[in-house]
Amino acid sequence: DTGVSQNPRHKITKRGQNVTFRCDPISEHNRLYWYRQTLGQGPEFLTYFQNEAQLEKSRLLSDRFSAERPKGSFSTLEIQRTEQGDSAMYLCATRYRGYYEQYFGPGTRLTVT
Amino acid sequence: AQSVTQPDIHITVSEGASLELRCNYSYGATPYLFWYVQSPGQGLQLLLKYFSGDTLVQGIKGFEAEFKRSQSSFNLRKPSVHWSDAAEYFCAVGVGMEYGNKLVFGAGTILRVKS
Repeated sequence: DTGVSQNPRHKITKRGQNVTFRCDPISEHNRLYWYRQTLGQGPEFLTYFQNEAQLEKSRLLSDRFSAERPKGSFSTLEIQRTEQGDSAMYLCATRYRGYYEQYFGPGTRLTVT
Repeated sequence: AQSVTQPDIHITVSEGASLELRCNYSYGATPYLFWYVQSPGQGLQLLLKYFSGDTLVQGIKGFEAEFKRSQSSFNLRKPSVHWSDAAEYFCAVGVGMEYGNKLVFGAGTILRVKS
């Protein structure tokens, strides 16, 4: 257990529905990252926050995806109008200022039917 | 563009045998390198990291890795594998360390341990 928690752990939804995932970081970790991992692949970067500011977004993050980190604490990742191609594991990671290693949560497994 | 290659999709070793997992990276600047391990359905656990200094780094669970700049490699090793080491292993390079430090991962190597 790294101290990063994610909820829910599993989500099954029908195509076209909206879903929201939550990540609670390790206390005092000011940087927070979202990655997506599909079967047989390594995680791919989606976006990251420094405190409450979203500083970078990947091209993978279409306009159906939005992420927030109010007050620089927990973060949410919302997917609107889900598609089957969104089925993946969504991983959150956090990092402490001045250190380079990232600590990952257990992930949220999304299945779109 | 930065990338990480893990040439072996699957590796099977006998319990007690030595292990080496290969990782090659492509990155124009000084690489910050990591190895993570992932058990089925779980998140990633950091095994070890290399930023500078001694090119042989020690990690948790008896793992070590050697950075070879001339070969753009960062191979993971363990002298004696235990059945509990069966998992998927990911090599990653940190990109833009002076900024956000996102990680670029390889596709992973699945390790099977036979008794």
